[in-house]
Amino acid sequence: EVRLVESGGGLVRPGGSLRLSCAASGFNINTYSMSWFRQAPGKGLEWVSSITTGSSYTYYTDSVKGRFTISRDNAKNSLYLHLNSLRAEDTAVFYCARGSGGGTTTCFRLWGQGTSVTVSS
Amino acid sequence: DIQMTQFPSTLSASVGDRVTFTCRASQFISTWLAWYQQKPGKAPKLLIYKASSLESGVPSRFSGSGTGTEFTLTISSLQPDDIATYYCQQYDSFLLTFGGGTKVEIK
Repeated sequence: EVRLVESGGGLVRPGGSLRLSCAASGFNINTYSMSWFRQAPGKGLEWVSSITTGSSYTYYTDSVKGRFTISRDNAKNSLYLHLNSLRAEDTAVFYCARGSGGGTTTCFRLWGQGTSVTVSS
Repeated sequence: DIQMTQFPSTLSASVGDRVTFTCRASQFISTWLAWYQQKPGKAPKLLIYKASSLESGVPSRFSGSGTGTEFTLTISSLQPDDIATYYCQQYDSFLLTFGGGTKVEIK
């Protein structure tokens, strides 16, 4: 079965860090761009970050630049998002998703189930 | 960044109704637009890509149209299973953006 499974979410204090993981199965991620999205409670979808197939290019929404880092390990068929200097406004469900090909300007057919991040003291 | 505006924010209709909602881009995006359906607690599901192409497995009552800056998603005959929030997403720019969503309710 083709799927994405996120993990690593949890409760963290403001200023803290987390590493989210996204494990792919049923396909090889090395031919796809990958992205992270988030959805704050009761709010809409927000793109967070994307990474190209060979990690040559990474892109971030302005509000997370310098705090979040996207990475991938094609050998482990996994995507990661390192979250640093977390703020209350980062509280959200984080989703990973597979692009339609190698480019990051894409729509998304395959999504994970999401992992919840809560930033609170 | 390209801003995406959806309206209405909420739509109430009866089963069997034809419903249409709109997504407007702040600049020209050709047909680089997707529509997603999201139900509470679930991940988004791709319905339409490239403005008007129906994703495999999606019921034919869903259709998309538009080009440039103005786009529409139409459900030809609303079904109870269509209760969800619908989002548009532009992918003309690598800074991907979504509209704020249209929540569909059954009257």
